[in-house]
Amino acid sequence: EDQVTQSPEALRLQEGESSSLNCSYTVSGLRGLFWYRQDPGKGPEFLFTLYSAGEEKEKERLKATLTKKESFLHITAPKPEDSATYLCAVEVEYGNKLVFGAGTILRVKS
Amino acid sequence: NAGVMQNPRHLVRRRGQEARLRCSPMKGHSHVYWYRQLPEEGLKFMVYLQKENIIDESGMPKERFSAEFPKEGPSILRIQQVVRGDSAAYFCASSPIQSNTGELFFGEGSRLTVL
Repeated sequence: EDQVTQSPEALRLQEGESSSLNCSYTVSGLRGLFWYRQDPGKGPEFLFTLYSAGEEKEKERLKATLTKKESFLHITAPKPEDSATYLCAVEVEYGNKLVFGAGTILRVKS
Repeated sequence: NAGVMQNPRHLVRRRGQEARLRCSPMKGHSHVYWYRQLPEEGLKFMVYLQKENIIDESGMPKERFSAEFPKEGPSILRIQQVVRGDSAAYFCASSPIQSNTGELFFGEGSRLTVL
């Protein structure tokens, strides 16, 4: 069964304290791995797509990387506005059928 | 450019009633997806539709749930004879084509509470 596991479940950081979120996956055939951000009471917002091991994508303070078994979302010098739930998902079949992890709740304190 | 519009945002139903959730995709998008998010769980795929066609409903419960995306009007997720376990946030997402980027545009969700 295709499975996505995210860790930690929750992470508290001080403003400026860099860290990483982990997403490990077990799928029959990875077509793509995706990171989304979700704010309370809102829908997920797309951040990154990664397709192959070794690939990296960056956006402001966020950088996503991919290996054959897991992905990391690195947050450099986070700010309070980076507080959100970060969701990882994998595409298991052509047609955007995504399998999501349970998410990591990030809180950044000033 | 309006995003994906879902309504109602909040819906309360008693056990045995029907719930209808509506989703208008972004302008120019012809692919609609419904996902369900239970408390403390990740988003779960339910159904993928194009105009007048159900493409993949492998995530839909076998009974009481149905979805449609008519030629005119919004996509509708219908839950008949609701039970407490149906309480969840239901998210609709759209994409312009059968994209392989996984870049789905999500609405803000409809939160169903079953009393």
